Amino acid sequence: DTGVSQDPRHKITKRGQNVTFRCDPISEHNRLYWYRQTLGQGPEFLTYFQNEAQLEKSRLLSDRFSAERPKGSFSTLEIQRTEQGDSAMYLCASSLAGQETQYFGPGTRLLVL
Amino acid sequence: DQQVKQNSPSLSVQEGRISILNCDYTNSMFDYFLWYKKYPAEGPTFLISISSIKDKNEDGRFTVFLNKSAKHLSLHIVPSQPGDSAVYFCAARGGAGGTSYGKLTFGQGTILTVHP
Repeated sequence: DTGVSQDPRHKITKRGQNVTFRCDPISEHNRLYWYRQTLGQGPEFLTYFQNEAQLEKSRLLSDRFSAERPKGSFSTLEIQRTEQGDSAMYLCASSLAGQETQYFGPGTRLLVL
Repeated sequence: DQQVKQNSPSLSVQEGRISILNCDYTNSMFDYFLWYKKYPAEGPTFLISISSIKDKNEDGRFTVFLNKSAKHLSLHIVPSQPGDSAVYFCAARGGAGGTSYGKLTFGQGTILTVHP
């Protein structure tokens, strides 16, 4: 399978705990995106990388959220001091710079109790 | 500020008939539009796209129409099949130099149900 993969697929945590998600993009893709989707809404942009550089961050990304792509391959999204409002599906997508289509992974569903 | 809107939360169609899903946008800087299909507990799957310099793009049973003056696009599925039942999202990408460049802005989605 050469698609976008995400790990874990599901995460249940208690309020106040830290969580980290991983995304592995399609191997030749140099752009990587994070989105968040809540029930009844479309995905909302959080941040994106070109290679290892983080080029844009949404104002949705509070200081409790941090994303990295240290070697320009996989990426991690960390949420510190989780809140119940962080419960959502976290989606990762990748693309080639200059090509418009983004390909999505299966998502990580987070539930904060 | 909802820049991309899908005003129909759901659509029900008989198998074999045409499904038409609609999407409106407000940002004239959007230069590329995409449709994604999503099943529960899965990520969105790319279906079809269209550049703002075109008004139609076709791929098998799927056709996307773009009306730039009305800031409106639609997805036609002909003939509709029960396996097409899913949530459909339209998405838009901003042009170079705009604030939306690179990222996709999504509508809220339309649930399509195709009855046998």
